[in-house]
Amino acid sequence: GNSVTQMEGPVTLSEEAFLTINCTYTATGYPSLFWYVQYPGEGLQLLLKATKADDKGSNKGFEATYRKETTSFHLEKGSVQVSDSAVYFCALNRDDKIIFGKGTRLHILP
Amino acid sequence: ETGVTQTPRHLVMGMTNKKSLKCEQHLGHNAMYWYKQSAKKPLELMFVYNFKEQTENNSVPSRFSPECPNSSHLFLHLHTLQPEDSALYLCASSPMGTSGMTSTDTQYFGPGTRLTVL
Repeated sequence: GNSVTQMEGPVTLSEEAFLTINCTYTATGYPSLFWYVQYPGEGLQLLLKATKADDKGSNKGFEATYRKETTSFHLEKGSVQVSDSAVYFCALNRDDKIIFGKGTRLHILP
Repeated sequence: ETGVTQTPRHLVMGMTNKKSLKCEQHLGHNAMYWYKQSAKKPLELMFVYNFKEQTENNSVPSRFSPECPNSSHLFLHLHTLQPEDSALYLCASSPMGTSGMTSTDTQYFGPGTRLTVL
């Protein structure tokens, strides 16, 4: 069946460090892929998405590239800020369902 | 502000109480969803409403009863809950219903109701 696996957290980094959060998926066909972010006390917000192979989604300095050959959609940011501290969810949309990963909590230290 | 509001933001209730959660979306969407978010567990989809009709119930216990009077409002009625039902309950909406959902559709989430069952 369809599923999403993302790296276990929490991830703790210093401000201005490089960030990678790994995400791989299992799905039939060609799902759309998403990263959602949940800031403390809030619901999930769409961060970025990609709808086909080799697409790159980007927003707020975050990027992720849809890699069909490795079934991956890793989230990256070149220089993180304290305000990026949140929980990040990788997700796919296939067969009319959005399937979320378990989430990765990110702590950025000043 | 995502255009999806939820009330109350926090709720504490006993196991014998009856309460309701409310969700309202101001985005003109046709589909609405209830999710349960528990600590250290993936988001669990509970119910899906498409054009006011329930199209999915993911084996949710009957102590949770959804209601969708129109495409803008969604309720979750709660009665005789258990302590393990304590969680963050998230509402979401999307532009198209499940039956016509495109693969690129995204969901817009409310801030959630933090429920504690004593």
